[in-house]
Amino acid sequence: DGGITQSPKYLFRKEGQNVTLSCEQNLNHDAMYWYRQDPGQGLRLIYYSQIVNDFQKGDIAEGYSVSREKKESFPLTVTSAQKNPTAFYLCASSITGQGVYGYTFGSGTRLTVV
Amino acid sequence: GDSVTQMEGPVTLSEEAFLTINCTYTATGYPSLFWYVQYPGEGLQLLLKATKADDKGSNKGFEATYRKETTSFHLEKGSVQVSDSAVYFCALYSGGGADGLTFGKGTHLIIQP
Repeated sequence: DGGITQSPKYLFRKEGQNVTLSCEQNLNHDAMYWYRQDPGQGLRLIYYSQIVNDFQKGDIAEGYSVSREKKESFPLTVTSAQKNPTAFYLCASSITGQGVYGYTFGSGTRLTVV
Repeated sequence: GDSVTQMEGPVTLSEEAFLTINCTYTATGYPSLFWYVQYPGEGLQLLLKATKADDKGSNKGFEATYRKETTSFHLEKGSVQVSDSAVYFCALYSGGGADGLTFGKGTHLIIQP
């Protein structure tokens, strides 16, 4: 079955470390997105990519980086510059130009700073 | 810019009660509207959608009607179950350059037996 796979489900980061969250999709979708979810704040867009080798900053990109070397993959790196990284991270995809049909979401990665 | 406003939660109801979760929006043009549901520890799942005025989206007993005149897309269900306990997000897509959805902050629904 087609879908989006995020890994790991839980991730712990020490202060000053960079960590990378994986997002893979087999839906043949062109567009992929990363959201951050905090309690009571809803979803906030970190980065998005509409085609391979291209990506754009969202509303809260500072302290994060992404790459899009393959259509299927859109990993997110949380760098040491992100001062408050503890959150639930969601990856999503859509057929570019057809956001009218909505997104497909992965099951999320919960990142905790220890 | 685009925005979505949902009623604050948590909303607590007894099983078999009638549910309404309000959603209003501000957008340019004629957006598509969505309701997503998030169960604990999971990602978001598309619950229903409507792409033009007066359309009614429906799924699993939930319904929402696209009301252009009131810029609203309220979610309703006639008889809720404990298994409906989740967080519900209203969202819109207006065709902006980011191809992105704009989400409300979510409404936490708790159904008591």
